[in-house]
Amino acid sequence: DGGITQSPKYLFRKEGQNVTLSCEQNLNHDAMYWYRQDPGQGLRLIYYSQIVNDFQKGDIAEGYSVSREKKESFPLTVTSAQKNPTAFYLCASSIRGEGMSAKNIQYFGAGTRLSVL
Amino acid sequence: DQQVKQNSPSLSVQEGRISILNCDYTNSMFDYFLWYKKYPAEGPTFLISISSIKDKNEDGRFTVFLNKSAKHLSLHIVPSQPGDSAVYFCAASGHTGTASKLTFGTGTRLQVTL
Repeated sequence: DGGITQSPKYLFRKEGQNVTLSCEQNLNHDAMYWYRQDPGQGLRLIYYSQIVNDFQKGDIAEGYSVSREKKESFPLTVTSAQKNPTAFYLCASSIRGEGMSAKNIQYFGAGTRLSVL
Repeated sequence: DQQVKQNSPSLSVQEGRISILNCDYTNSMFDYFLWYKKYPAEGPTFLISISSIKDKNEDGRFTVFLNKSAKHLSLHIVPSQPGDSAVYFCAASGHTGTASKLTFGTGTRLQVTL
């Protein structure tokens, strides 16, 4: 059963602590993405990766880090430098888009809700 | 700078009637548009999409219309059902080399009443 798995569903961070959110996909997609959703706002792109061992900053990358060592996995670390980490975090994946006709349909996981203690 | 805008934060429609959700964009480089549906505490689910070379795409009860000259798209749901109650996000994608980034609107909460 193909899909995207995010864990944990809920996560609490203490002051000054780094936390890592897991994202695994078995859709054989090349591209993976991390978004943040705040109440009343749309999804904002944190980081994305088009291929293994390569990733790019999105619109709000400050205070976050990622790695892409395996095609299936794209973990997100929320560092202590992220001063307002409380949000709903969503991971997505898609085929690698190339050219004007690319159909960039992104498929999402169920999300991780991060709160600060 | 909000490149994709959904100006109506909420919409209430009676069951069986048509729901029309609107979306405006400013970036003329966008060439592919998508609608996602999202329930609380869940990830968005892909609903329907349209390429900029078309002006209409239909899938069952869902139809998306694209007006490129007005930089406007809309999602029509006919007939609306209580299970359609959710937040709907409009998203747009543009060609930037091999990048495939989506820009999302802020969402419209649809409530379908009995």
